[in-house]
Amino acid sequence: EVQLVQSGAEVKKPGESLKISCKGSGYSFTSYWIGWVRQMPGKGLEWMGIIYPGDSDTRYSPSFQGQVTISADKSISTAYLQWSSLKASDTAMYYCARRVAGTYYFDYWGQGTLVTVSS
Amino acid sequence: QAVLTQPASLSASPGASASLTCTLRSGINVGTYRIYWYQQKPGSPPQYLLRYKSDSDKQQGSGVPSRFSGSKDASANAGILLISGLQSEDEADYYCMIWHSSVWVFGGGTKLTVL
Repeated sequence: EVQLVQSGAEVKKPGESLKISCKGSGYSFTSYWIGWVRQMPGKGLEWMGIIYPGDSDTRYSPSFQGQVTISADKSISTAYLQWSSLKASDTAMYYCARRVAGTYYFDYWGQGTLVTVSS
Repeated sequence: QAVLTQPASLSASPGASASLTCTLRSGINVGTYRIYWYQQKPGSPPQYLLRYKSDSDKQQGSGVPSRFSGSKDASANAGILLISGLQSEDEADYYCMIWHSSVWVFGGGTKLTVL
């Protein structure tokens, strides 16, 4: 069974750093792109970026380029999304999702990680 | 102007049909795009429903009932998600998505109320 399991909710202060994770199982982790999607409270979905764990090829949405870093450790089938200096506006639910090979959509999604940034 | 525009809300009665639209920005031709549809219920991640480009290029998500179908209205430059035989469990947020200029773009979502 394909699963993407994300790390737990985080509460941080502005200026702090954070790295959240997404562990894949039940499939060949290195053969599928993993994307990250933001959902701010009460708002819609926004694509942030995507990584191919096989070779760490990474692409970012222009809206998020320079704001976050996406990485992966294929040895433990885990993708990451990190911030070096959080802002209150980073408060959101973050989802990882697997891109279907050879297509342009995401089939399996993680359960989401809620990040709250507040002083 | 947003790339994809969806009405914020839609209400329909149980057993009726609901047509959810996803309008592409002027200058972006709906005919050239595969439009993907997702359903999201409160507290849950989005779930893939289907893809529609044309009657010969479409795909139903695994386990998605045939009550959910896609189409296009070329005159309105819009993709359409049609839900027939509405059930209370269809109450959710629905998002369209396209791959455009090397980025994934989501519509703002439509909140469907079944009452």
